[in-house]
Amino acid sequence: GAGVSQSPSNKVTEKGKDVELRCDPISGHTALYWYRQSLGQGLEFLIYFQGNSAPDKSGLPSDRFSAERTGGSVSTLTIQRTQQEDSAVYLCASSPKGVLRNEKLFFGSGTQLSVL
Amino acid sequence: DQQVKQNSPSLSVQEGRISILNCDYTNSMFDYFLWYKKYPAEGPTFLISISSIKDKNEDGRFTVFLNKSAKHLSLHIVPSQPGDSAVYFCAAKGFSGTYKYIFGTGTRLKVLA
Repeated sequence: GAGVSQSPSNKVTEKGKDVELRCDPISGHTALYWYRQSLGQGLEFLIYFQGNSAPDKSGLPSDRFSAERTGGSVSTLTIQRTQQEDSAVYLCASSPKGVLRNEKLFFGSGTQLSVL
Repeated sequence: DQQVKQNSPSLSVQEGRISILNCDYTNSMFDYFLWYKKYPAEGPTFLISISSIKDKNEDGRFTVFLNKSAKHLSLHIVPSQPGDSAVYFCAAKGFSGTYKYIFGTGTRLKVLA
């Protein structure tokens, strides 16, 4: 596609429910990243996928968070048993080659998650 | 620990004047720096970048300066326009345990007409 696509754009859920957020990166980009931005905060790194390599999960805040990337393309971020502190904008980004190259990240518009 | 810091949460500038946004970092292993602009309800969009082998990079109204000894970079926008009003994030890449892009907390720029 022309850009990074994320769905849904908005998600309201009840505390304790599971949610799935989807990211469709730019076609041909091998690297995919998930960040989140909580209210009044910067962009917090969550996870990074590079081709077929094992993902860098060092930013996932708890074991309730998981992500997968199928076929080297679409990625799904899953949050189990959501808590109110999970409320944030979840941003996906992709880049052509990954962090071993100096290249820019292309971001999607994000998913605004609200946990009631 | 905040490896990339933007100490000014907000900045107001008159249209036509220069906007200077600052960013400090703590990790000397960072070797690539970027600035992003973010409008409400949109994803961040890339503005300009600089490699650690340079001290200045210019693109139209936007110039990024890098002072490696001070671990400081700045973004200059001149002349500032009302459409520049947005949140600006600096980001750094380099080895910090793993390789990833680390972002600052952002500076909200308001350009007054």
